Amino acid sequence: DAGVIQSPRHEVTEMGQEVTLRCKPISGHDYLFWYRQTMMRGLELLIYFNNNVPIDDSGMPEDRFSAKMPNASFSTLKIQPSEPRDSAVYFCASSLDYRGMNTEAFFGQGTRLTVV
Amino acid sequence: AQKITQTQPGMFVQEKEAVTLDCTYDTSDQSYGLFWYKQPSSGEMIFLIYQGSYDEQNATEGRYSLNFQKARKSANLVISASQLGDSAMYFCAMREGPSGNTPLVFGKGTRLSVIA
Repeated sequence: DAGVIQSPRHEVTEMGQEVTLRCKPISGHDYLFWYRQTMMRGLELLIYFNNNVPIDDSGMPEDRFSAKMPNASFSTLKIQPSEPRDSAVYFCASSLDYRGMNTEAFFGQGTRLTVV
Repeated sequence: AQKITQTQPGMFVQEKEAVTLDCTYDTSDQSYGLFWYKQPSSGEMIFLIYQGSYDEQNATEGRYSLNFQKARKSANLVISASQLGDSAMYFCAMREGPSGNTPLVFGKGTRLSVIA
């Protein structure tokens, strides 16, 4: 398997523009997580899905952020409108539900977002 | 309250020496998992090692071992025979609960620099 695939790897956009980040989880994984990494706040969970259903979106910073998972192999994180403080590295991760067993999350390469 | 605390923002170690990276955690759950990830300068998140709360033996994976002290709620990572390629950020993370797939919560990380 190619692992978790994120696109784009880098995104530079102007304040006020819409940004869409994409993620393809590992085939067969039933959990998908979106994290944001900044120097100040570290790695924060934004939202996660189980079997394509959002389970907890309490980490989404505000209404400008939205995430969808229309099927088991694709998820998007959208920011509209974007602001400079959204600049960060956004990670997608997926994992498999082996109850009671080691279930590390596998991370994508991340999308480095810069909003100018 | 912080669930994962990594008190060492930065560490230096001489090549071929061993180094311990500290991690303490806070949970009231009896069942949980502890993870360490490595993030090199290229940015990807690499899973290193896992310790389950009911595991009686300390986890080991090659040059990595986890010094698990349950009563003290600590899960320190030990890297033996450090190599230049070990220079990276290291994150401790915890997953609470018995079911296997609540999200990982991360500490702020420790930057390890290996000196030749």
